Amino acid sequence: EPEVTQTPSHQVTQMGQEVILRCVPISNHLYFYWYRQILGQKVEFLVSFYNNEISEKSEIFDDQFSVERPDGSNFTLKIRSTKLEDSAMYFCATQPPRGDNSPLHFGNGTRLTVT
Amino acid sequence: QQPVQSPQAVILREGEDAVINCSSSKALYSVHWYRQKHGEAPVFLMILLKGGEQKGHDKISASFNEKKQQSSLYLTASQLSYSGTYFCGTEIGGYGNKLVFGAGTILRVKS
Repeated sequence: EPEVTQTPSHQVTQMGQEVILRCVPISNHLYFYWYRQILGQKVEFLVSFYNNEISEKSEIFDDQFSVERPDGSNFTLKIRSTKLEDSAMYFCATQPPRGDNSPLHFGNGTRLTVT
Repeated sequence: QQPVQSPQAVILREGEDAVINCSSSKALYSVHWYRQKHGEAPVFLMILLKGGEQKGHDKISASFNEKKQQSSLYLTASQLSYSGTYFCGTEIGGYGNKLVFGAGTILRVKS
């Protein structure tokens, strides 16, 4: 079964550094999302992306965050200047073209640790 | 906008049943249920699209009351493998819109 692939699985960075988290969506999927989960807490929506532009973003998704799909395959989340509170698990999720019973397909996540 | 889940946590013995509830203050397009094991990604269980719909596979089923903006997940004859955190995700604006997750219900099944 096709999978959403995220790299790296674990990223350690120093405060103030830039990080890029990568996601390879399932090939025919059109809707892309980033979610964040701080350890032991709920899964929080960050941003949705469709037709090469942001559809919606949450309050968490401030100017330090950006997303793009530069080559039509990888979907990336960039954090320009990381803060300690950015430490979390980041999940990419993708969804196929419209249809009933089409769930979000989650990647295995990238654990970001900011020191 | 975040759906409210209850209970926050439940402990069961193998073979016992559990119900997890999810309610929203807004009209819902769909409700998604996921289970997450520690350190892993959420795993899809089922989607409910229409009011009054019930779905299920194995011993896990769910209902969706569109008028009450509520969904319930039913776990019958629980197994050790059911342990994890269950999240409901609600979709308000229609297909392709964000899924907003509840705070989760921690389920622990003991032998």
